[in-house]
Amino acid sequence: SQQGEEDPQALSIQEGENATMNCSYKTSINNLQWYRQNSGRGLVHLILIRSNEREKHSGRLRVTLDTSKKSSSLLITASRAADTASYFCATDAGSGAGSYKLTFGKGTKLSVIP
Amino acid sequence: GAVVSQHPSRVICKSGTSVKIECRSLDFQATTMFWYRQFPKQSLMLMATSNEGSKATYEQGVEKDKFLINHASLTLSTLTVTSAHPEDSSFYICSARDKGTMSRRYTFGSGTRLTVV
Repeated sequence: SQQGEEDPQALSIQEGENATMNCSYKTSINNLQWYRQNSGRGLVHLILIRSNEREKHSGRLRVTLDTSKKSSSLLITASRAADTASYFCATDAGSGAGSYKLTFGKGTKLSVIP
Repeated sequence: GAVVSQHPSRVICKSGTSVKIECRSLDFQATTMFWYRQFPKQSLMLMATSNEGSKATYEQGVEKDKFLINHASLTLSTLTVTSAHPEDSSFYICSARDKGTMSRRYTFGSGTRLTVV
């Protein structure tokens, strides 16, 4: 079953603006991951944030995690046309070394207009 | 970095035939690989977890006899869609995790677009 729910479902912004996508989930997690998918392609890992972390940065990406609210956000600063893609959050609820399973949200389709 | 190769990228088959999709970890060993299905403009739905040397674990609602998974080595998992029908047309994606690390980061293949006519 789907755990993560992203909003908005679609987001259209001008190049140079910031894009914020949100993700909510329902159960306890080990970590939360954000992925990017270009149309008809596989997924590219962007960033992983552990349950004991609150914020993480990677280049123009900033991810926050609020485990009390069971929510996360992905901020892309100074967006570029090449950022146009679908973005998915995925929760990893595995509780042990042998338990690995990602559950994906519905995704946000981001369009960056040049 | 870790690379997962998935083939074919596109396949068109006739209804009633079987199609095999390969997922190969190129520079790492993967005890576990995952198979997902994605309908247009929707999210990824986990179909099954492929375990090297043992039976796959299927998610609820996924037909084991329809979607055969084989994980014969630490670098290769295959998904065979048997007796394919038009409703099986979808985008199938595999992923794997490097067993040699403590990382919980997953590497995805580039996906296979299956069209059943």
